[in-house]
Amino acid sequence: DTAVSQTPKYLVTQMGNDKSIKCEQNLGHDTMYWYKQDSKKFLKIMFSYNNKELIINETVPNRFSPKSPDKAHLNLHINSLELGDSAVYFCASSQVGGQGGNYGYTFGSGTRLTVV
Amino acid sequence: GENVEQHPSTLSVQEGDSAVIKCTYSDSASNYFPWYKQELGKRPQLIIDIRSNVGEKKDQRIAVTLNKTAKHFSLHITETQPEDSAVYFCAAQGAGGSYIPTFGRGTSLIVHP
Repeated sequence: DTAVSQTPKYLVTQMGNDKSIKCEQNLGHDTMYWYKQDSKKFLKIMFSYNNKELIINETVPNRFSPKSPDKAHLNLHINSLELGDSAVYFCASSQVGGQGGNYGYTFGSGTRLTVV
Repeated sequence: GENVEQHPSTLSVQEGDSAVIKCTYSDSASNYFPWYKQELGKRPQLIIDIRSNVGEKKDQRIAVTLNKTAKHFSLHITETQPEDSAVYFCAAQGAGGSYIPTFGRGTSLIVHP
């Protein structure tokens, strides 16, 4: 069973289109995230969401929006796609806080977005 | 906010040699330090982690050390194998109560057979 699954794996689309990437986790984690990985491999946090709060990286354009129908899903919607949005997008989940403190991430397999 | 520096950016070794990747962090309140391995075209995967109340942790051929005073931590891989070739990321978490890690920029490890 895949712990964190995201779809689609590849997405090729034209500039100006709107697209969504879906993410689901079956680990029972309370927090989910979206990361963007550029061509230089840097992992940039875009959003963090749990049932208490949404944290948005202020450098992320408002064309990007997370949507969470429940704690097991965090989808990423992108409006008016631009060439610079081309990257690999990773969903991740973790269990936050509690007596055990912080824990590491489980990442999804990634979505390679190409805007043409 | 937290700042994590990771060195080297590229590391090339012969099979069987040891490899060491070093990271420094800026915020002494960080208390959790995970390491991720990302093979080409795949997802980052957690390979080992260490908490601030521990100085060293080992798991077979990999080990992580933490020096809280100097605010640096390192990943050590012994008897490297070609399948160790990947990009390795360090991260620091917990500064200011934040659960979002600050990642290093990654080290590309190449193990030559």
